[in-house]
Amino acid sequence: QQQVKQSPQSLIVQKGGISIINCAYENTAFDYFPWYQQFPGKGPALLIAIRPDVSEKKEGRFTISFNKSAKQFSLHIMDSQPGDSATYFCAASTPHSGAGSYQLTFGKGTKLSVIP
Amino acid sequence: DGGITQSPKYLFRKEGQNVTLSCEQNLNHDAMYWYRQDPGQGLRLIYYSQIVNDFQKGDIAEGYSVSREKKESFPLTVTSAQKNPTAFYLCASSIDPPGQGTDTQYFGPGTRLTVL
Repeated sequence: QQQVKQSPQSLIVQKGGISIINCAYENTAFDYFPWYQQFPGKGPALLIAIRPDVSEKKEGRFTISFNKSAKQFSLHIMDSQPGDSATYFCAASTPHSGAGSYQLTFGKGTKLSVIP
Repeated sequence: DGGITQSPKYLFRKEGQNVTLSCEQNLNHDAMYWYRQDPGQGLRLIYYSQIVNDFQKGDIAEGYSVSREKKESFPLTVTSAQKNPTAFYLCASSIDPPGQGTDTQYFGPGTRLTVL
């Protein structure tokens, strides 16, 4: 059972446009929602993260919007640039509740291509 | 230079052979993780360790083994029991045991394993 559903699988955006990637989750115990950026042949790097006590978090051109009631969160990349071309993963985790209970559950990823 | 190192970058194995992937971190992080990445599948957790001499199975532990004898090191052995081992393997670490502080995981550059 996939606990974090990510869409779309791939996305093509023109330079200067807005890239939007969506994730939905089912487990209401999730309390931490990071986004990772991965370039080909490299490990993922944390881009931005949010906790459910806020509805939006912005860092530079990157914004997370969070809708707790709908159990959805999204990544918006403003003024998209060719250098943003990468695979983006959303993820979610639950609070630690005893030995061995932790997992960071990832979506399947979105390959973003920003064309000039 | 602080960070996570994985070696080798590329690894080739014949069927029936065990192989060990190295992961070292000098970030003084308590928790370490191993993920497997396949195209279109996102990242799937193999094993994780919250503290030295302790580790827990993730979603896809069958055919893999780990050890955590030192805080800095978390090697992964891919055994001959793993039926489809060709994949990109990622090691990660986090500063606190999950849920007790930041849940941010920092990833290494990965090892690409190919079974011939």
